[in-house]
Amino acid sequence: SYELTQPPSVSVAPGKTARITCGGKSIGSKSVHWYQQKPGQAPVLVISYDRDRPSGIPERFSGSKSGNPATLTISRVEAGDEADYYCQVWDTKSDHVVFGGGTKLTVL
Amino acid sequence: QVQLQESGPGLVKPSQTLSLTCTVSGASMTSGGYYWTWIRQRPGKGLDWIGYIFYSGGTYYDPSLESRSTISVDTSKNQLSLKLNSVTAADTAVFYCARGRISASVHFDVWGQGVVVTVSS
Repeated sequence: SYELTQPPSVSVAPGKTARITCGGKSIGSKSVHWYQQKPGQAPVLVISYDRDRPSGIPERFSGSKSGNPATLTISRVEAGDEADYYCQVWDTKSDHVVFGGGTKLTVL
Repeated sequence: QVQLQESGPGLVKPSQTLSLTCTVSGASMTSGGYYWTWIRQRPGKGLDWIGYIFYSGGTYYDPSLESRSTISVDTSKNQLSLKLNSVTAADTAVFYCARGRISASVHFDVWGQGVVVTVSS
């Protein structure tokens, strides 16, 4: 079955840039979606289709994918960005959904 | 504004069947273009896709849960349901329903708040 790999944790100082990666076989041929989950809350979509930002998501959040891996970039990080971040793809061969293991972003 | 609300018993005994309902408001499940989805999150762990259903009835499940899972829709009530059989303590989790938007891919643009289910005698 298809797997997505994320680093378990990323730490960044306030005001700096955080980059969270998501790797998987042939990920270049798949659309990658990103979710933010704060403690005790449901996940929220922050990036869809590699780089599209839903309404209401700050411009500080951006996505990219140049080959492998895909990357979620958070610029000018704020304390409120501290959360778990998950990438997700849809495997067209099986019609199944796959989530990455999640990355805990810590703001120092 | 579309909203999803999960409901069900917070405590289930081992070997029994876990039954949850998700009520959709603000949109009709029959409008098409969406997979209605169940996702779980075990304590301290990541997100696990359980499966989803199209309003007309086509279902897809994670292979690891397929043998124990049944997802269904009641379009007259605008509700989504999940049954998980033969539960064990390992099924203790927060269960979310979510709307999966279908286009070139599938992503989840609306989520319920989640319901906590504990499996214990």
